Amino acid sequence: EVQLVESGGGLIQPGRSLRLSCTTSGVTFGDYGVSWVRQAPGKGLEWVGLIRGKAYGGTTEYAASVKGRFTFSRDDSKSIAYLQMNSLKIEDTAVYYCTIQIDYWGQGTLVTVSS
Amino acid sequence: DIVMTQSPDSLAVSLGERATINCKSSQSVLYISNNKNYLAWYQQRPGQPPRLLIYWASTRESGVPDRFSGSGSETDFTLTISSLQAEDVAVYFCQQYYNTPWTFGQGTKVEIK
Repeated sequence: EVQLVESGGGLIQPGRSLRLSCTTSGVTFGDYGVSWVRQAPGKGLEWVGLIRGKAYGGTTEYAASVKGRFTFSRDDSKSIAYLQMNSLKIEDTAVYYCTIQIDYWGQGTLVTVSS
Repeated sequence: DIVMTQSPDSLAVSLGERATINCKSSQSVLYISNNKNYLAWYQQRPGQPPRLLIYWASTRESGVPDRFSGSGSETDFTLTISSLQAEDVAVYFCQQYYNTPWTFGQGTKVEIK
């Protein structure tokens, strides 16, 4: 059974940094890209970006709203993907989901940016 | 970016009746080389992550009841729930994965009349 578990969310002040983790099991992690999608409270879904698998060189793509502030990385030996979020803004407040392909989603972790 | 527009924003349907949700993309999401539409449908119940229902516009994900079906091609797509059940109350999203940035429709809230 494929499982994805996000962690690392919490309350953080504007301008600060936070790192989210996406721990996976039940899948050959290195073969797959990992996407991040967020959902602001009561709002729709917004794609944050993705990091591709090793076959595609682990390349990354970012939504315009986070480019230059957010960074994806992965540790294939641990089957974990990371989302480093810097210079956080109030509008980054959301539940952050990691996904593999479009099939598998974690339960999400809430990031609240507030002073 | 490809803009995805769903209609209606919400609908109320009686139990056992048909629910139809439309999704329109601002450009074609049909990849000519493999003749596949890069269009997915998700269901999201309150407090839950999105659940994939349909991919390639019309392929039902494993475990999804057959009352859910997807149709359409290029820019116009439909999700149909043939006989609404109480557990189908949720918000439904379409998504294109034809190119990045992946984009989602704004969501359609389905309720019981």
